[in-house]
Amino acid sequence: KQEVTQIPAALSVPEGENLVLNCSFTDSAIYNLQWFRQDPGKGLTSLLLIQSSQREQTSGRLNASLDKSSGRSTLYIAASQPGDSATYLCAVKENSGNTPLVFGKGTRLSVIA
Amino acid sequence: GAVVSQHPSRVICKSGTSVKIECRSLDFQATTMFWYRQFPKQSLMLMATSNEGSKATYEQGVEKDKFLINHASLTLSTLTVTSAHPEDSSFYICSAGTGGGTEAFFGQGTRLTVV
Repeated sequence: KQEVTQIPAALSVPEGENLVLNCSFTDSAIYNLQWFRQDPGKGLTSLLLIQSSQREQTSGRLNASLDKSSGRSTLYIAASQPGDSATYLCAVKENSGNTPLVFGKGTRLSVIA
Repeated sequence: GAVVSQHPSRVICKSGTSVKIECRSLDFQATTMFWYRQFPKQSLMLMATSNEGSKATYEQGVEKDKFLINHASLTLSTLTVTSAHPEDSSFYICSAGTGGGTEAFFGQGTRLTVV
């Protein structure tokens, strides 16, 4: 059974720092991996989607990498801002077609001004 | 990207009553939708898969008679929490994918509080 782990569970950094969030998954046979942002009491905002054949995706200050064979992904946030404070969730899709995602527990990020 | 709309965003109900949550795909048809539940500081856990025109499939440990799912059209799935109890208080969120199933799109979620 696929399991997704995110480290650290919580992170507090001063504004301006670059930071890395880690995600690992036990079964490397994934279809794609998606990073989401969740604000307290809110739904999910999709940040980046990496297909299994891709190595990385970038959007603004965010960069996500995927090492499928080792079962790992990282989300890099450059020049962090207080507005980046949220919980970041990593999720994998195991098959093509309409199949559900398997989520990690998330990393709760606080960026201090 | 595609839009999934979920209502209500927040509901408080009395113990023993039923609550219906709606999930709509606004600009695409979704033959399959997924319902997740999230307890505080926990991950989103899949509850059930909603299939248009047929019965939903439930994950192990999820009571199908308590969490009624209806997917009567290609754009609407509903989750009804029947005879709700305080332990059902949670964050419920739905998702759907467009044809090809590449990216998952999520509703805004529903915060259910049972008092």
